[in-house]
Amino acid sequence: GQNIDQPTEMTATEGAIVQINCTYQTSGFNGLFWYQQHAGEAPTFLSYNVLDGLEEKGRFSSFLSRSKGYSYLLLKELQMKDSASYLCAVSNSNYQLIWGAGTKLIIKP
Amino acid sequence: IAGITQAPTSQILAAGRRMTLRCTQDMRHNAMYWYRQDLGLGLRLIHYSNTAGTTGKGEVPDGYSVSRANTDDFPLTLASAVPSQTSVYFCASSQRAGGGNEQFFGPGTRLTVL
Repeated sequence: GQNIDQPTEMTATEGAIVQINCTYQTSGFNGLFWYQQHAGEAPTFLSYNVLDGLEEKGRFSSFLSRSKGYSYLLLKELQMKDSASYLCAVSNSNYQLIWGAGTKLIIKP
Repeated sequence: IAGITQAPTSQILAAGRRMTLRCTQDMRHNAMYWYRQDLGLGLRLIHYSNTAGTTGKGEVPDGYSVSRANTDDFPLTLASAVPSQTSVYFCASSQRAGGGNEQFFGPGTRLTVL
């Protein structure tokens, strides 16, 4: 079967750094996406990785290791507005996105 | 304002009733998708359309149907609603299917079937 695993919930302090992990097992791989979803809102795109390595975009970075079926999202200089759920999704061999259940990130002052 | 809209925002529906959720995008995207999101589960793909005139089944298509008569509109129909279809429904679109094409999401429809 196809499976995406992420921690259910994480807590971090404002100004700190947090790493959200995602492991996957899918039928084929055509890239991995990270989305942010605030409570009661729609998901919004954060990053896309298709090759191994780190992609940096401002305070957010995303890493991919295809051989390990592993990715992480790194958030630096955390702000209260970063409190949200972070969704990991893998594009499979049919180019359909398989989604993890999301990681709820709680930021404390 | 370019984007993707959904209607209604929320709906309470009696079991057995027919319901159509509307989705319209004005970004001229080729691909469109319908997902449902349930607590504790990831987004699950119901149906998709890679281009106008074509549709395909996703992970959980049973009880749902779609049509794609033109580029902009992608309605989702529940022929005879059941309580297990209580969920938040998101419509999304992307320039093309596959690759690194980012999906843009509508605001969602919260559906309750009693």
